[in-house]
Amino acid sequence: GQNIDQPTEMTATEGAIVQINCTYQTSGFNGLFWYQQHAGEAPTFLSYNVLDGLEEKGRFSSFLSRSKGYSYLLLKELQMKDSASYLCVVMDSNYQLIWGAGTKLIIKP
Amino acid sequence: GAVVSQHPSRVICKSGTSVKIECRSLDFQATTMFWYRQFPKKSLMLMATSNEGSKATYEQGVEKDKFLINHASLTLSTLTVTSAHPEDSSFYICSARVGTSDYNEQFFGPGTRLTVL
Repeated sequence: GQNIDQPTEMTATEGAIVQINCTYQTSGFNGLFWYQQHAGEAPTFLSYNVLDGLEEKGRFSSFLSRSKGYSYLLLKELQMKDSASYLCVVMDSNYQLIWGAGTKLIIKP
Repeated sequence: GAVVSQHPSRVICKSGTSVKIECRSLDFQATTMFWYRQFPKKSLMLMATSNEGSKATYEQGVEKDKFLINHASLTLSTLTVTSAHPEDSSFYICSARVGTSDYNEQFFGPGTRLTVL
C-alpha cells in the first residue's frame, strides 16, 4: 500500500531551527510537496522536490532523497506564526497526490 | 499568486437538506479543480477531480450521487452535498490547478466548514 510517515507533533523555540522528517512508500514517484496548514484554513504550498538534494527558499528548505524515500522540511529562525501543521505530500506514478497526516508544530517563546 | 475562493465559508444545515459549495479561480483559468474533505486531525482526502466540461472522476468510496460536482466553466466548480447527514459534517476544500501538467502547483481555496445538525 501507499504510506507517508511523519511525526504527529513537534515543539520548538522561537528563533531556533526545526527539521520535520517525512518517509514515504508509494507506487512510483513524481515529486514531493510540503504544505503548511494553519488550524481551520486550507493548506498553502511551501515547496516541491522531484530531484535529490536541497531546495532553499528563504527561511524554509526542503530536502529529498529518492533512494531512501525520505524528505525533510527545515525551518530556520522560527517565528510564532510558524505554528501550524506541515503536510508531506507525494505524487505517485499515476500523478495522484498521497497526503501525509501532517506534523503539528508548536512554537514556544 | 493565483487566488481561489470558496463560498460559503461556513454553513449549518438540517439533516436531509442539500448544500451547494462554490469554488472559483479569481485570476486564472483552471482546467482542473479538485475537491477534498478533511476530518479533524486527519489528512486531506481527495473526493473527486473535476475537469471543465466533462464529468468528474470520483475516488473510490465517494458516492457520486451524494456529492454532485459540476465544473461548468474554467473558473467555477460546484460541489452539492445532497440529503446531508451529520456524518457529512466536515471541512471541504477545493483546489485549482494552473495549466495542464500534473506537475503544476495546486492553489487551494480557504475551505468550507459544513455542520449538519
